[in-house]
Amino acid sequence: KQEVTQIPAALSVPEGENLVLNCSFTDSAIYNLQWFRQDPGKGLTSLLLIQSSQREQTSGRLNASLDKSSGRSTLYIAASQPGDSATYLCAVKDDYKLSFGAGTTVTVRA
Amino acid sequence: GAVVSQHPSWVICKSGTSVKIECRSLDFQATTMFWYRQFPKQSLMLMATSNEGSKATYEQGVEKDKFLINHASLTLSTLTVTSAHPEDSSFYICSASTVSSNQPQHFGDGTRLSIL
Repeated sequence: KQEVTQIPAALSVPEGENLVLNCSFTDSAIYNLQWFRQDPGKGLTSLLLIQSSQREQTSGRLNASLDKSSGRSTLYIAASQPGDSATYLCAVKDDYKLSFGAGTTVTVRA
Repeated sequence: GAVVSQHPSWVICKSGTSVKIECRSLDFQATTMFWYRQFPKQSLMLMATSNEGSKATYEQGVEKDKFLINHASLTLSTLTVTSAHPEDSSFYICSASTVSSNQPQHFGDGTRLSIL
């Protein structure tokens, strides 16, 4: 059974600082890994999708890396802004379904 | 980008009522739809997977007679919480995907269900 862990559970940084969010998973036989953002009381917004054959993906200030063999992914958010405050979830796809971590709740202080 | 619409966004009803939640893929054909449940400050737990035209596959521990899922077309799936009780109060989120395993899943905005 796939287990996905996200550390830290919560993070508070001043505006402008770079964010580093970690995700680890126990079974490396995955199709892809997806990072999501969830605002309070809302659904999920897909941020980045990394296929199992890829090492990283970039979109604007966001960069996600994937090391499948060690079961790790890292999401980097450069020059954080108060609008980046949210919960960030990683999810790995194996077989037919996504397995989610519990998320990292980020607060960016103005 | 791909859009998944979920309705209603918030439901408050009395214990014993049945509640139907709709999930629609607006601009793509969703061969597979997923229903998740999320408790406060916890992650999403998959409840069931539905493929168009066939019966849903439920995860272990999820009562199929309690949570009825219908996937009648490539753009619509419904979740009906039958005879809802306060312990069914939760945040329910659907997602949709095309047939390819390598494509991303797209999520609805969720439904907050409160049973009094």
